[in-house]
Amino acid sequence: DTEVTQTPKHLVMGMTNKKSLKCEQHMGHRAMYWYKQKAKKPPELMFVYSYEKLSINESVPSRFSPECPNSSLLNLHLHALQPEDSALYLCASSLRPGVSNSPLHFGNGTRLTVT
Amino acid sequence: GQQVMQIPQYQHVQEGEDFTTYCNSSTTLSNIQWYKQRPGGHPVFLIQLVKSGEVKKQKRLTFQFGEAKKNSSLHITATQTTDVGTYFCAGHTGTASKLTFGTGTRLQVTL
Repeated sequence: DTEVTQTPKHLVMGMTNKKSLKCEQHMGHRAMYWYKQKAKKPPELMFVYSYEKLSINESVPSRFSPECPNSSLLNLHLHALQPEDSALYLCASSLRPGVSNSPLHFGNGTRLTVT
Repeated sequence: GQQVMQIPQYQHVQEGEDFTTYCNSSTTLSNIQWYKQRPGGHPVFLIQLVKSGEVKKQKRLTFQFGEAKKNSSLHITATQTTDVGTYFCAGHTGTASKLTFGTGTRLQVTL
């Protein structure tokens, strides 16, 4: 079991749909992350939030829009996605931003299929 | 940009055999973390190494960090079927918030 909760577990959406992925943690972590993972590949960093502010955007297309409403919640808004965006989307958190020895706690992920 | 490669990509062993995965970074790392991802699961943190030449053990798992802090290894003694999964190393370079994952080694263990 994980202390980082992601919903939904599975999502199928068309290229014209708008959907959101949600992530929640109550460990008091102040850094939150979105990673994208394709099959048999390592997780790829998309966004980092430090103290609820976006600190890193890894040149992610604007059809992915992150949001951090408070220190416990992280959303990823999806709009006009492409089939190649189908992947496992992982949320993670760590205790302190800017501290390299703080391990990541991952959620179970949302498996996204774009049709 | 930073690249972190792992070898082998895949290894199939019989239960009881040993297993080692090697992690090599193109740049010096401030630390190295190891994660395990079971099939259909999410990465789970195993351990972190910080000091040059550091060795840490967790039961049958032995982790090493190279003297130059550019490579690391994970050795599993007497594998069990519960060891099945993909093992990722991950490291930070200049940006403390940016953790780069290695390419991963998928371990299959059969009876």
